[in-house]
Parts: sequence; structure tokens; C-alpha cells
Amino acid sequence: TQLLEQSPQFLSIQEGENLTVYCNSSSVFSSLQWYRQEPGEGPVLLVTVVTGGEVKKLKRLTFQFGDARKDSSLHITAAQPGDTGLYLCAGATGNQFYFGTGTSLTVIP
Amino acid sequence: NAGVTQTPKFQVLKTGQSMTLQCAQDMNHEYMSWYRQDPGMGLRLIHYSVGAGITDQGEVPNGYNVSRSTTEDFPLRLLSAAPSQTSVYFCASSLDPLGMSQHFGDGTRLSIL
Repeated sequence: TQLLEQSPQFLSIQEGENLTVYCNSSSVFSSLQWYRQEPGEGPVLLVTVVTGGEVKKLKRLTFQFGDARKDSSLHITAAQPGDTGLYLCAGATGNQFYFGTGTSLTVIP
Repeated sequence: NAGVTQTPKFQVLKTGQSMTLQCAQDMNHEYMSWYRQDPGMGLRLIHYSVGAGITDQGEVPNGYNVSRSTTEDFPLRLLSAAPSQTSVYFCASSLDPLGMSQHFGDGTRLSIL
């Protein structure tokens, strides 16, 4: 049973389009993170959110933590080919992290 | 900055063999952890440590041992390798259990024949 469900699993869009990736759970998390992973490499941390309702922006990426601290979304504006990769969400509860299964994004030039 | 260094990058073992995956970080992070990544399963926590001398089990600890004698090093031991342990293994370190400034290594690709 996966504690964190990500959707969609795969996403292929044209350059310049907007997209949103969702990360949902029935569990409450102390913090939630988003990572981007490229083939053959480890995940790279994009953002950590800790407060319910928190919104963080990182250039064209907007991250939101749900009010109840059970879910999160990642919105990318005007996607570029360099955004291509596997996006992972991860939630911390106690001293443990639980990862979602990931969203594989392909941005076509 | 080196960050998190994992060795080896690739390894092939025969069933029943043992080995140690090495992980070292140079950021003075207290929290370190080991994950395995399998297709369609995401990353799953094997073991973690909140500081030198303290370790605990994660989601999938069976068949693996860890120790944390120093802040910098957190080796993962496979006691008797099984084909089900074929996976990509990642080590990570962070400032705290919330994952602040969490860094991952580039992984060890392990095949068990």
C-alpha cells in the first residue's frame, strides 16, 4: 500500500504549456518535499513545505501544501524541455520519509 | 563540495554473498538514511539514523543491517544477498528528520544473480 499517491503517473506536453502534478494521502505529514530525478542520478530536492496552506514559488514552479497537511501540488508554468524528468513527492512523519511513485514528465520542444 | 558519496556505483553479486554499500557525507548532517528504488514502487526507506550511535528500521529493513559509528559514515550491509534485493540503492543525509537540506547520493546499482 502506497502512503502517497501521485498523479498523473506519466505526462507528455508541448513546450510552453502549463501543468499540475498532485500528491495525495490520507496521512498527515510534518513536512512535504518535492524532488526531481534524472536518469542515473539521485533525487534533487526542489522544496520543503512545513505549514498547512503554505505556498512556495521557485521561478516557474509553484508548490502548495494542503491546509490539512495531507496533500500537495506542483504547478509548472510555461514548461521547458529542461523540466523533463521524474518528479517525486515525499512526506515526513515521525523520523521516516515516505515517497510517492513519481510523475514522469516529458516536455516536447 | 562532495555532498553524499556512495560506493560502489555498480555491483553484481551471487545469491548468498554478502557485501557492504558505503555512504559518506561531508555536510555534518545528523540524519542519514538508506532507500531502495524499484520500478513502479518509488523509493522505500530501509534504515535511518538520527545521529552517531543511533539507528532504526524503516519500511523495508529485512535482510539489511546498518551502523553509524561516526557522523560522516552510514554503511549498509547485505547479509546474504537474494535476487529480490536487486535494486538501485540511494543514501541520503539531511539536517533534521524533516528533511531540511536533504541531499542524495548518485546511487549503487546492485544486481543479484
